[in-house]
Amino acid sequence: GQQVMQIPQYQHVQEGEDFTTYCNSSTTLSNIQWYKQRPGGHPVFLIQLVKSGEVKKQKRLTFQFGEAKKNSSLHITATQTTDVGTYFCAGPGGSARQLTFGSGTQLTVLP
Amino acid sequence: KAGVTQTPRYLIKTRGQQVTLSCSPISGHRSVSWYQQTPGQGLQFLFEYFSETQRNKGNFPGRFSGRQFSNSRSEMNVSTLELGDSALYLCASSFGRINTDTQYFGPGTRLTVL
Repeated sequence: GQQVMQIPQYQHVQEGEDFTTYCNSSTTLSNIQWYKQRPGGHPVFLIQLVKSGEVKKQKRLTFQFGEAKKNSSLHITATQTTDVGTYFCAGPGGSARQLTFGSGTQLTVLP
Repeated sequence: KAGVTQTPRYLIKTRGQQVTLSCSPISGHRSVSWYQQTPGQGLQFLFEYFSETQRNKGNFPGRFSGRQFSNSRSEMNVSTLELGDSALYLCASSFGRINTDTQYFGPGTRLTVL
């Protein structure tokens, strides 16, 4: 079945440093979604990428979708303590009728 | 617009018992999906319901079942509970297709099996 891998699993950064998480799929994706889950909370939708090579920005967050549509990344510039949480990527599953979530990257920002 | 609600928020059961969890989607959303979240396995897809029909099912045993009512509210049932069923159970609603539409998650039900 389809697998979605995310690295790193954990990342500790000093406030103000940059952060990047990478998502790789075993199959080509029609789209990829990113979610953020704060500690004790539930996943919240951040963005969806659809086009090959697409780049989207949300303030300090930059999302990229690979040319082959099998990988994606999320980059945060100058992290803040409010960025703490686990970031998940998700893509359509093997049957294309479900979302397969990556394992997530847990970000800790040290003040 | 009210968000996705789930009841109960916390539940403690013992092995062998059964449990029913409830999810009310955002008004107008017809798709409801269920996920199991554990520290070791991450977010695992259980099943999705759309207009009272199960559209897709993840790789979970038959002890896990669900249904959806005409008002789009959904319930999930787990029978013969096992210790390994302890997890956060999340439901998510979307307007249409689970694989393209934004998923709006509820706060989850934390199930502990003793």
